[in-house]
Amino acid sequence: DVKVTQSSRYLVKRTGEKVFLECVQDMDHENMFWYRQDPGLGLRLIYFSYDVKMKEKGDIPEGYSVSREKKERFSLILESASTNQTSMYLCASTFRGGGEAFFGQGTRLTVV
Amino acid sequence: QQQVKQSPQSLIVQKGGISIINCAYENTAFDYFPWYQQFPGKGPALLIAIRPDVSEKKEGRFTISFNKSAKQFSLHIMDSQPGDSATYFCAASMRTGFQKLVFGTGTRLLVSP
Repeated sequence: DVKVTQSSRYLVKRTGEKVFLECVQDMDHENMFWYRQDPGLGLRLIYFSYDVKMKEKGDIPEGYSVSREKKERFSLILESASTNQTSMYLCASTFRGGGEAFFGQGTRLTVV
Repeated sequence: QQQVKQSPQSLIVQKGGISIINCAYENTAFDYFPWYQQFPGKGPALLIAIRPDVSEKKEGRFTISFNKSAKQFSLHIMDSQPGDSATYFCAASMRTGFQKLVFGTGTRLLVSP
């Protein structure tokens, strides 16, 4: 059973904290993505990576950074969490040629 | 140009009825159009997908209709069941570049018993 696993289902952090969201996939996918899901806005792409140590900005990268040191792991970093970053965060992966994206179960982050 | 517009935002259908969700796009370079289904507390999962060389694709009770000239595609759920109650997202991507998926805003479907 193929899997994308996100390290936390729920997180509560304080404003100004540095936050790490971790994602691991076991499908040997080249591409990995971080999306943010908000009601009425759908899924918006924050960052993606097409190879180890490679990254590209998505549509809403401000306030976020990413790290991909190993093929199977893609981390999203909130350098200084703010309340407007309270959201559901979804990690996904695909093969290099695209096609079906496999999603993790999501991390619901609340910044207080 | 990168947007995918989805409607309606929410939909209530009686059991056994037909659920229809519509999406429209502007970028003619899009060449892959999937639909994802998301249940509460879960990540989205691929339901069905189509490429623009066909006008319709059917898998069980789920059908994608694709109109290339109008730049529109839709999901039809026949004989809708309470278990189909979920949020549905249309999406699009291009064969070139990094095949990033651009998602619609989602439709929350409720099938009443």
